[in-house]
Parts: sequence; C-alpha cells; structure tokens
Amino acid sequence: GENVEQHPSTLSVQEGDSAVIKCTYSDSASNYFPWYKQELGKRPQLIIDIRSNVGEKKDQRIAVTLNKTAKHFSLHITETQPEDSAVYFCAASPPNTGFQKLVFGTGTRLLVSP
Amino acid sequence: EPEVTQTPSHQVTQMGQEVILRCVPISNHLYFYWYRQILGQKVEFLVSFYNNEISEKSEIFDDQFSVERPDGSNFTLKIRSTKLEDSAMYFCASRDGMWNTGELFFGEGSRLTVL
Repeated sequence: GENVEQHPSTLSVQEGDSAVIKCTYSDSASNYFPWYKQELGKRPQLIIDIRSNVGEKKDQRIAVTLNKTAKHFSLHITETQPEDSAVYFCAASPPNTGFQKLVFGTGTRLLVSP
Repeated sequence: EPEVTQTPSHQVTQMGQEVILRCVPISNHLYFYWYRQILGQKVEFLVSFYNNEISEKSEIFDDQFSVERPDGSNFTLKIRSTKLEDSAMYFCASRDGMWNTGELFFGEGSRLTVL
C-alpha cells in the first residue's frame, strides 16, 4: 500500500524566514496530496492541496509543489509568523479509492520564533 | 461555519470494556471516516463509510471495531473490548459528495485512555 515519508520531523525558523517541508510517496498512481495543519490539541485542518495533474499551487504565503516523476511534494511557507507554529502533515490519496482514505506522513513540528 | 462534532472529548476506560465514540458529521456530507492518532504519532486511517456501508478499512480496524450510522445524523465507532494499545485520539471526519473535492473536515477528536 501507499507509504508517505515526511521530513524534517522538526523545523525551527525565525519569523519572516521561509519554511519548506518535504514528502515522498510510494504509489505513483496516487492522485491527491493535501497538507493539514494541526495546532496543539486541535483538529487537523486543511491548508492547501494539489492534484496530480497540477505541478504547483499557491495560496497567499503558502505554496505546494508536486514532482510526479520523483514522487515527492513540498510545502513552502514564506514570511513565517509565530501563528504558523504547529504540526504539519502531508498526505496522499491512493488511486481508485475515490478519496476514500488519506495516508498521512509522520508530521513536521514547525516552530517560528519571534 | 458547520463543523464535525464529537463526544466525548475524553474517555477513560478499563481494559476489556466496550467504548462507543460518537460523531455528528456535517449535515450535507456523504462520506464519513474514523482516523486515530496515537500520542505524538501520525494520523492513521481506520475506516471509511458511504451509503450506509463500510467502503474501506485498514488493518487496524479488526473485529473489535465497528461503525454505525444509527440515524440521519450520528456516526459511531464502537470498540468491543478495549486494549491498552487502543489508547489514542480518535478523529471523525466527513466530506461532501462532490467528485472534485477531497477535503476532509475533522472533528476535535475523542481522546481514549485505556487503563
């Protein structure tokens, strides 16, 4: 089945710096890749997603890039702010599941220091 | 903004006891899920439910687990005989039926502690 690896496990940046989190997936047929943000003790919330027919997607300070050949996708956060501090999970949706399930990465704890 | 609600927020139970976790998905959503997250680890898929039946389940979702949609609003996860390793945060999630959206809306979670 699908397996998603995520790096780094922790990331500390200064406010205003950029942060990049990378994920690789194993099933080349996976077709949907969301990123979820989880603040301490809270529910995961979708921040951005990308489908396999798109190489890049941007939403204000957040962007996601997808390299299907290499089977990896990345989250880019620019001009980081302290409120960006959270755990970020990437995920992949295996094929033929109709988005029925997501396989999550192990998470990246992002700490943005003022 | 509509949201997924879960009860209880925290349940402590003895090993071997039955537990039922309850969820009210967003009202016009058609797909329902349970995920779990052991403390400090990643979110893991348990089961998906559509049209009143399980559409997919993981290896974790063994015979001790069951799901039910007893009425038009609730979606429950039952663990028949809890084990220590069932201790985790259980998230219910739902999404609508639009083919081009995959966003899952998660509830706040139910923390299960098995002693």
